[in-house]
Amino acid sequence: NAGVTQTPKFQVLKTGQSMTLQCAQDMNHEYMSWYRQDPGMGLRLIHYSVGAGITDQGEVPNGYNVSRSTTEDFPLRLLSAAPSQTSVYFCASSPGTSLLGTFFGQGTRLTVV
Amino acid sequence: GDSVTQMEGPVTLSEEAFLTINCTYTATGYPSLFWYVQYPGEGLQLLLKATKADDKGSNKGFEATYRKETTSFHLEKGSVQVSDSAVYFCALSHAGNMLTFGGGTRLMVKP
Repeated sequence: NAGVTQTPKFQVLKTGQSMTLQCAQDMNHEYMSWYRQDPGMGLRLIHYSVGAGITDQGEVPNGYNVSRSTTEDFPLRLLSAAPSQTSVYFCASSPGTSLLGTFFGQGTRLTVV
Repeated sequence: GDSVTQMEGPVTLSEEAFLTINCTYTATGYPSLFWYVQYPGEGLQLLLKATKADDKGSNKGFEATYRKETTSFHLEKGSVQVSDSAVYFCALSHAGNMLTFGGGTRLMVKP
């Protein structure tokens, strides 16, 4: 019963480096999303997807790319890391409506130096 | 746009004390309202929800009532335990859409 799996759990990047945060869910959920969590600001939506091949921007999309080639996977790409992207990142999935609950991964703590 | 405002923490209580965490929202229409809980080192988990005015969500001794007249969804528990120590997030969504979160409130319960 894996649910939503994120890798890695911790990552340190140098400014300008690129990397991909991985996210996979095994619940056959239509909706997947990425949030970042910063102190006192709650979780802010970066990008989301309502199905394979469909993505859209959230509240804070700049500096991030996503793709959704399969129902299960929703990777988040940082193209050129900046210190402002230091944060905890959460991937989430839901079965087409938030009313049935949104399921979160355990998070990736990213530090950009 | 939509927004959610929560009381700032941390909230520190003794075991068996009464808990209230305030949450108010600004949104168009009739959003659904949620409380999520985050235990240390973990992702968020749905605690309770309410989908229309005057609905009461409840789970694990926690309750919250959807008050449209005051645009509020305050979280309450009659007797907290040490195991309730966590960060609590109030959130809203319009059906089928993504969640909008408040800033989170850290609760610390001391034995």
